[in-house]
Amino acid sequence: GAVVSQHPSWVICKSGTSVKIECRSLDFQATTMFWYRQFPKQSLMLMATSNEGSKATYEQGVEKDKFLINHASLTLSTLTVTSAHPEDSSFYICSARDYARVNTEAFFGQGTRLTVV
Amino acid sequence: GENVEQHPSTLSVQEGDSAVIKCTYSDSASNYFPWYKQELGKGPQLIIDIRSNVGEKKDQRIAVTLNKTAKHFSLHITETQPEDSAVYFCAAPLKAAGNKLTFGGGTRVLVKP
Repeated sequence: GAVVSQHPSWVICKSGTSVKIECRSLDFQATTMFWYRQFPKQSLMLMATSNEGSKATYEQGVEKDKFLINHASLTLSTLTVTSAHPEDSSFYICSARDYARVNTEAFFGQGTRLTVV
Repeated sequence: GENVEQHPSTLSVQEGDSAVIKCTYSDSASNYFPWYKQELGKGPQLIIDIRSNVGEKKDQRIAVTLNKTAKHFSLHITETQPEDSAVYFCAAPLKAAGNKLTFGGGTRVLVKP
């Protein structure tokens, strides 16, 4: 099956610093990757759609200047949380769709637990 | 509004019994319905999915049924085992969300030995 690798799996950072999270599709090409945020005991909330070679599409209420997304290749998308604050602490998850298969399932990374202190 | 509703939010079953989770969706054009299992501290893992051209799909102890007319689909887990304990999410692509997957609220399943 398709594998999506997310790194790091957890990170602790100080308030005001920036954190970069990577999402890689290991055995397939993904023109589209998705970034989600999940609070404890809640469902996944889509933050943005990352499109290879173009600007990301952000969901309503998500600050694009705070959550910078770069999708420079067909196998890598990055999410950078800029000037992180404690309220940014959350579980961030990416998913990717296989470019070669239309209207198919999305495969998820293992998630990144961000704690801002 | 356009959404995916999932019930129940929690489900406790005895080992060996069956578990059923139901989801309803609002967009009649939705044509793909995956189910994900999420263990604590991990990302969701696809366990089964169904497309709108079939009414039922089975994979060992897991099955999904789809009723397009009523716009609902269900996950069935038979002969539950403690390792089935997790949070399960249904999802569907909704036109209002740009055909991106919209997730249900999740069901926390606890299988008691």
